[in-house]
Amino acid sequence: DIVMTQSPVILSLSPGERATLSCKASQTIFSNLAWYQKKPGQPPRLLIFGVSTRATGVPDRFSGSGSGTDFTLTISSLQSEDFALYYCQQYLDWSSITFGQGTRLDIK
Amino acid sequence: QGHLVQSGTELEQPGSSVTVSCQTSGDIFRTLTIMWVRQAPGQGLEWVGRIIPRMGVTTYAQRFQGRVNLIADTSTKTVKMQLNGLTLEDTAIYYCATGRPHMDVWGNGSAVIVSS
Repeated sequence: DIVMTQSPVILSLSPGERATLSCKASQTIFSNLAWYQKKPGQPPRLLIFGVSTRATGVPDRFSGSGSGTDFTLTISSLQSEDFALYYCQQYLDWSSITFGQGTRLDIK
Repeated sequence: QGHLVQSGTELEQPGSSVTVSCQTSGDIFRTLTIMWVRQAPGQGLEWVGRIIPRMGVTTYAQRFQGRVNLIADTSTKTVKMQLNGLTLEDTAIYYCATGRPHMDVWGNGSAVIVSS
């Protein structure tokens, strides 16, 4: 299986600051990467797919970048509702989809 | 696009089996793949498997092979996940989601609690 490693595990920032979340794949996944936001009691929400395409309704303060094995989710100016868990997911191989372990974005 | 509505909480004994259902609407059953993902308490997201409902084709994560079955019911446009040989570690919220393969439509989640 492709291993996805996210960093940092916990990121503490203040509203208005810029957040940069990283995700590294154990082998190249080309552009087969998505990002999800997860809040307690809610299902995951798709934010980004294909590395950089925002899902429907996702604010433009969320952006994705990267290629090959190294990827980044950037939130340009944190809003109160952005403090949550974030997961990256690779889908290079439909028979072996894997997620990163998550980054928790906390209010400082 | 359609929606996914899942069945409720299940309380099961170790060693038993559980079936969780995912009711589809719109064109989901006819056109898309359905993924299953779980999240155990305090843990991350884990992919369980997928089914192409119109074809009945399934793929399972290796760690669930032989223990999970995904079934599509064409008469009710429902997908079901059956998990056998439950252990305490199977306690989790189980989600169905459309797979493109990125997952853009999610069910509300079904809690499975395994306890003796």
